[in-house]
Amino acid sequence: TQLLEQSPQFLSIQEGENLTVYCNSSSVFSSLQWYRQEPGEGPVLLVTVVTGGEVKKLKRLTFQFGDARKDSSLHITAAQPGDTGLYLCAGDTSGTYKYIFGTGTRLKVLA
Amino acid sequence: DVKVTQSSRYLVKRTGEKVFLECVQDMDHENMFWYRQDPGLGLRLIYFSYDVKMKEKGDIPEGYSVSREKKERFSLILESASTNQTSMYLCASSLFQRRDNMYGYTFGSGTRLTVV
Repeated sequence: TQLLEQSPQFLSIQEGENLTVYCNSSSVFSSLQWYRQEPGEGPVLLVTVVTGGEVKKLKRLTFQFGDARKDSSLHITAAQPGDTGLYLCAGDTSGTYKYIFGTGTRLKVLA
Repeated sequence: DVKVTQSSRYLVKRTGEKVFLECVQDMDHENMFWYRQDPGLGLRLIYFSYDVKMKEKGDIPEGYSVSREKKERFSLILESASTNQTSMYLCASSLFQRRDNMYGYTFGSGTRLTVV
Protein backbone atom coordinates (compact mmCIF):
# COMPACT_ATOMS: atom_id res chain seq x y z
CA THR A 1 0.00 0.00 0.00
CA GLN A 2 1.33 3.40 -0.95
CA LEU A 3 2.03 5.77 1.89
CA LEU A 4 1.13 9.42 1.96
CA GLU A 5 2.80 11.30 4.79
CA GLN A 6 1.58 14.64 6.00
CA SER A 7 3.44 17.09 8.17
CA PRO A 8 3.10 18.50 10.66
CA GLN A 9 0.62 16.24 12.40
CA PHE A 10 -0.61 19.04 14.66
CA LEU A 11 -0.43 22.80 14.33
CA SER A 12 -1.74 25.45 16.69
CA ILE A 13 -1.36 29.06 15.60
CA GLN A 14 -2.74 32.51 16.31
CA GLU A 15 -5.25 34.20 14.06
CA GLY A 16 -3.50 36.16 11.31
CA GLU A 17 -0.45 33.91 11.04
CA ASN A 18 0.58 32.09 7.89
CA LEU A 19 1.19 28.35 7.70
CA THR A 20 2.15 25.58 5.31
CA VAL A 21 1.32 21.90 5.51
CA TYR A 22 2.97 19.23 3.43
CA CYS A 23 2.01 15.98 1.77
CA ASN A 24 4.78 13.65 0.59
CA SER A 25 5.07 10.26 -1.03
CA SER A 26 7.56 8.09 -2.88
CA SER A 27 4.88 7.38 -5.49
CA VAL A 28 3.96 9.47 -8.49
CA PHE A 29 0.36 10.66 -8.49
CA SER A 30 -1.78 11.19 -11.54
CA SER A 31 -3.82 13.57 -9.42
CA LEU A 32 -3.91 14.78 -5.84
CA GLN A 33 -6.71 16.25 -3.77
CA TRP A 34 -6.95 18.22 -0.55
CA TYR A 35 -9.88 17.92 1.83
CA ARG A 36 -10.86 19.64 5.07
CA GLN A 37 -12.74 17.78 7.76
CA GLU A 38 -14.50 19.48 10.65
CA PRO A 39 -15.38 17.63 13.86
CA GLY A 40 -18.34 15.31 13.46
CA GLU A 41 -18.43 15.66 9.68
CA GLY A 42 -17.01 13.94 6.65
CA PRO A 43 -14.14 15.47 4.63
CA VAL A 44 -15.04 18.14 2.08
CA LEU A 45 -13.07 18.54 -1.15
CA LEU A 46 -11.06 21.77 -1.42
CA VAL A 47 -9.09 21.26 -4.64
CA THR A 48 -7.76 18.76 -7.17
CA VAL A 49 -4.36 19.20 -8.86
CA VAL A 50 -3.22 17.12 -11.81
CA THR A 51 -0.25 18.82 -13.50
CA GLY A 52 3.28 18.83 -12.07
CA GLY A 53 4.14 22.33 -10.84
CA GLU A 54 0.50 23.39 -10.83
CA VAL A 55 -0.55 26.12 -8.39
CA LYS A 56 -4.17 26.71 -7.47
CA LYS A 57 -5.62 29.39 -5.23
CA LEU A 58 -8.83 29.28 -3.25
CA LYS A 59 -9.20 32.65 -1.47
CA ARG A 60 -6.49 32.55 1.24
CA LEU A 61 -5.46 28.96 0.45
CA THR A 62 -2.73 28.19 -2.07
CA PHE A 63 -2.14 24.64 -3.25
CA GLN A 64 0.96 23.48 -5.09
CA PHE A 65 1.67 20.18 -6.79
CA GLY A 66 5.35 19.20 -6.97
CA ASP A 67 7.08 19.12 -10.33
CA ALA A 68 7.58 15.37 -10.06
CA ARG A 69 3.98 14.87 -8.87
CA LYS A 70 5.15 13.14 -5.68
CA ASP A 71 4.36 15.90 -3.20
CA SER A 72 2.06 18.81 -2.53
CA SER A 73 1.74 21.71 -0.16
CA LEU A 74 -1.09 23.81 1.21
CA HIS A 75 -0.34 27.35 2.31
CA ILE A 76 -2.84 29.41 4.29
CA THR A 77 -2.38 33.16 4.50
CA ALA A 78 -3.70 35.09 7.50
CA ALA A 79 -5.33 32.08 9.13
CA GLN A 80 -8.75 32.51 10.72
CA PRO A 81 -10.53 30.43 13.40
CA GLY A 82 -12.82 29.15 10.65
CA ASP A 83 -9.81 27.40 9.09
CA THR A 84 -9.63 25.07 12.09
CA GLY A 85 -9.99 21.43 11.08
CA LEU A 86 -8.26 18.32 9.83
CA TYR A 87 -6.58 18.75 6.45
CA LEU A 88 -6.21 15.61 4.39
CA CYS A 89 -4.39 15.01 1.15
CA ALA A 90 -5.39 12.13 -1.09
CA GLY A 91 -3.48 10.80 -4.08
CA ASP A 92 -4.36 8.64 -7.04
CA THR A 93 -1.45 6.63 -8.42
CA SER A 94 -3.31 4.59 -10.98
CA GLY A 95 -5.37 7.15 -12.85
CA THR A 96 -8.55 5.50 -11.64
CA TYR A 97 -11.09 6.53 -9.05
CA LYS A 98 -9.33 5.19 -5.93
CA TYR A 99 -7.53 7.64 -3.70
CA ILE A 100 -5.07 6.90 -0.92
CA PHE A 101 -5.44 9.29 2.00
CA GLY A 102 -2.73 10.79 4.15
CA THR A 103 -2.90 10.75 7.94
CA GLY A 104 -3.83 14.41 8.10
CA THR A 105 -2.72 17.67 9.69
CA ARG A 106 -4.88 18.87 12.55
CA LEU A 107 -4.94 22.69 12.54
CA LYS A 108 -6.24 24.88 15.33
CA VAL A 109 -6.39 28.63 14.83
CA LEU A 110 -6.79 30.60 18.02
CA ALA A 111 -8.68 33.89 18.06
CA ASP B 1 -28.33 20.06 -2.01
CA VAL B 2 -26.69 16.81 -3.14
CA LYS B 3 -25.49 14.54 -0.44
CA VAL B 4 -24.44 11.22 0.98
CA THR B 5 -26.52 10.05 3.92
CA GLN B 6 -25.38 7.53 6.49
CA SER B 7 -28.15 5.95 8.48
CA SER B 8 -26.70 6.39 11.97
CA ARG B 9 -24.37 8.96 13.52
CA TYR B 10 -23.64 6.86 16.61
CA LEU B 11 -23.98 3.13 17.12
CA VAL B 12 -23.12 0.86 20.05
CA LYS B 13 -23.04 -2.88 19.42
CA ARG B 14 -21.97 -5.94 21.35
CA THR B 15 -19.10 -8.23 20.39
CA GLY B 16 -20.28 -10.93 18.02
CA GLU B 17 -23.29 -9.04 16.70
CA LYS B 18 -23.88 -8.66 12.97
CA VAL B 19 -23.86 -4.95 12.17
CA PHE B 20 -25.24 -3.16 9.12
CA LEU B 21 -24.14 0.33 8.16
CA GLU B 22 -26.22 1.92 5.43
CA CYS B 23 -25.24 4.64 2.98
CA VAL B 24 -27.43 6.35 0.38
CA GLN B 25 -26.40 8.94 -2.23
CA ASP B 26 -28.68 11.04 -4.39
CA MET B 27 -26.16 12.14 -7.03
CA ASP B 28 -26.40 9.17 -9.41
CA HIS B 29 -22.70 8.45 -8.79
CA GLU B 30 -21.23 5.25 -10.16
CA ASN B 31 -18.63 4.75 -7.45
CA MET B 32 -19.18 4.24 -3.75
CA PHE B 33 -16.67 3.61 -1.00
CA TRP B 34 -16.44 2.62 2.64
CA TYR B 35 -13.53 3.92 4.73
CA ARG B 36 -12.72 3.71 8.38
CA GLN B 37 -10.93 6.55 10.12
CA ASP B 38 -8.73 6.01 13.17
CA PRO B 39 -6.42 8.48 14.94
CA GLY B 40 -2.91 8.35 13.50
CA LEU B 41 -3.93 5.98 10.71
CA GLY B 42 -5.95 8.28 8.51
CA LEU B 43 -8.67 6.97 6.23
CA ARG B 44 -8.29 3.36 5.17
CA LEU B 45 -10.33 1.87 2.34
CA ILE B 46 -12.41 -1.16 3.30
CA TYR B 47 -14.39 -1.85 0.11
CA PHE B 48 -15.52 0.00 -2.95
CA SER B 49 -18.04 -0.51 -5.70
CA TYR B 50 -17.97 0.90 -9.21
CA ASP B 51 -21.36 -0.42 -10.31
CA VAL B 52 -24.44 -2.17 -9.02
CA LYS B 53 -23.63 -5.65 -7.72
CA MET B 54 -19.91 -5.01 -8.31
CA LYS B 55 -17.46 -4.77 -5.43
CA GLU B 56 -13.75 -4.85 -4.85
CA LYS B 57 -11.69 -5.21 -1.71
CA GLY B 58 -9.79 -2.25 -0.42
CA ASP B 59 -6.83 -2.31 1.91
CA ILE B 60 -8.52 -3.72 5.03
CA PRO B 61 -11.49 -5.92 4.02
CA GLU B 62 -11.06 -8.60 6.69
CA GLY B 63 -14.12 -8.92 8.90
CA TYR B 64 -16.30 -6.86 6.55
CA SER B 65 -18.55 -7.47 3.57
CA VAL B 66 -20.60 -5.13 1.40
CA SER B 67 -23.77 -5.11 -0.64
CA ARG B 68 -24.81 -2.90 -3.53
CA GLU B 69 -28.17 -3.97 -4.89
CA LYS B 70 -29.15 -0.50 -6.10
CA LYS B 71 -27.01 2.27 -7.54
CA GLU B 72 -27.81 4.70 -4.74
CA ARG B 73 -27.25 2.37 -1.78
CA PHE B 74 -24.05 0.79 -0.48
CA SER B 75 -24.15 -1.22 2.73
CA LEU B 76 -21.24 -2.26 4.93
CA ILE B 77 -21.69 -5.42 6.99
CA LEU B 78 -19.65 -6.43 9.99
CA GLU B 79 -20.21 -10.17 10.08
CA SER B 80 -19.29 -10.59 13.75
CA ALA B 81 -18.39 -7.32 15.39
CA SER B 82 -15.19 -7.17 17.41
CA THR B 83 -13.77 -4.46 19.66
CA ASN B 84 -11.01 -3.67 17.14
CA GLN B 85 -13.73 -2.58 14.73
CA THR B 86 -14.59 0.34 16.98
CA SER B 87 -14.01 3.29 14.66
CA MET B 88 -15.47 6.12 12.61
CA TYR B 89 -16.90 4.75 9.37
CA LEU B 90 -17.18 7.06 6.38
CA CYS B 91 -19.10 6.41 3.20
CA ALA B 92 -18.25 8.31 0.03
CA SER B 93 -19.38 8.45 -3.56
CA SER B 94 -17.90 9.80 -6.77
CA LEU B 95 -18.45 10.00 -10.49
CA PHE B 96 -16.43 7.67 -12.66
CA GLN B 97 -13.44 9.91 -13.17
CA ARG B 98 -10.91 10.48 -15.81
CA ARG B 99 -7.69 12.23 -14.87
CA ASP B 100 -9.10 15.61 -15.81
CA ASN B 101 -12.33 15.27 -13.87
CA MET B 102 -12.16 17.32 -10.74
CA TYR B 103 -15.18 16.35 -8.71
CA GLY B 104 -13.56 14.30 -6.00
CA TYR B 105 -15.40 12.35 -3.36
CA THR B 106 -18.55 13.40 -1.55
CA PHE B 107 -18.51 12.02 1.97
CA GLY B 108 -21.27 11.31 4.43
CA SER B 109 -21.09 12.64 7.98
CA GLY B 110 -19.84 9.33 9.33
CA THR B 111 -21.01 6.67 11.75
CA ARG B 112 -19.12 6.37 15.01
CA LEU B 113 -19.35 2.70 15.92
CA THR B 114 -18.44 1.42 19.35
CA VAL B 115 -18.21 -2.33 19.90
CA VAL B 116 -18.36 -3.36 23.55
